[in-house]
Amino acid sequence: GAGVSQSPSNKVTEKGKDVELRCDPISGHTALYWYRQSLGQGLEFLIYFQGNSAPDKSGLPSDRFSAERTGGSVSTLTIQRTQQEDSAVYLCASSTTPGLTQYFGPGTRLTVL
Amino acid sequence: GQQLNQSPQSMFIQEGEDVSMNCTSSSIFNTWLWYKQEPGEGPVLLIALYKAGELTSNGRLTAQFGITRKDSFLNISASIPSDVGIYFCAGQNSGGSNYKLTFGKGTLLTVNP
Repeated sequence: GAGVSQSPSNKVTEKGKDVELRCDPISGHTALYWYRQSLGQGLEFLIYFQGNSAPDKSGLPSDRFSAERTGGSVSTLTIQRTQQEDSAVYLCASSTTPGLTQYFGPGTRLTVL
Repeated sequence: GQQLNQSPQSMFIQEGEDVSMNCTSSSIFNTWLWYKQEPGEGPVLLIALYKAGELTSNGRLTAQFGITRKDSFLNISASIPSDVGIYFCAGQNSGGSNYKLTFGKGTLLTVNP
């Protein structure tokens, strides 16, 4: 079946605006993860969902970042009042169950001007 | 938090040569993983290692999980142009609500035909 999909593939926004990034996991995968990839910091974990709940939010960098997951499927990562340092590629991954292989989507490249 | 040191940062080799890269950690992991990322795509899992001392092959790729559980290496034999990409090591300690991957900074591999 289809892999993890993310939209949009690219997003350019102005500093101070809010953005929403979407992730569609592989069908039937109960676990979903968000990571951020930036030049200086590499790949960093943001948040993990099991079903619709988020047992681990330890990687969210500030309270401007939030995420939700509905119906045990689609997830949305929201960044409020974007800053230039939020510019990065945001990657989503899913796995059949927690702890098993994480399959990554192509990412959303966010540029904050 | 846990840190992974991956080396080398980049490699430029001739087609047919063998390649070796490694990761070390300040603390132990229960699982070591190696991913490859190509431009515009998310990381793709190459090899997963679940047991200290384990040596696993996947075609021309061989990876080992260090005995101390604080290191891993990846070898690529007889490199070909399509091996070009960024290779990431990742560590994972699954359990409780902790299923995140901790990534190294990556090794950029360039293969000259």
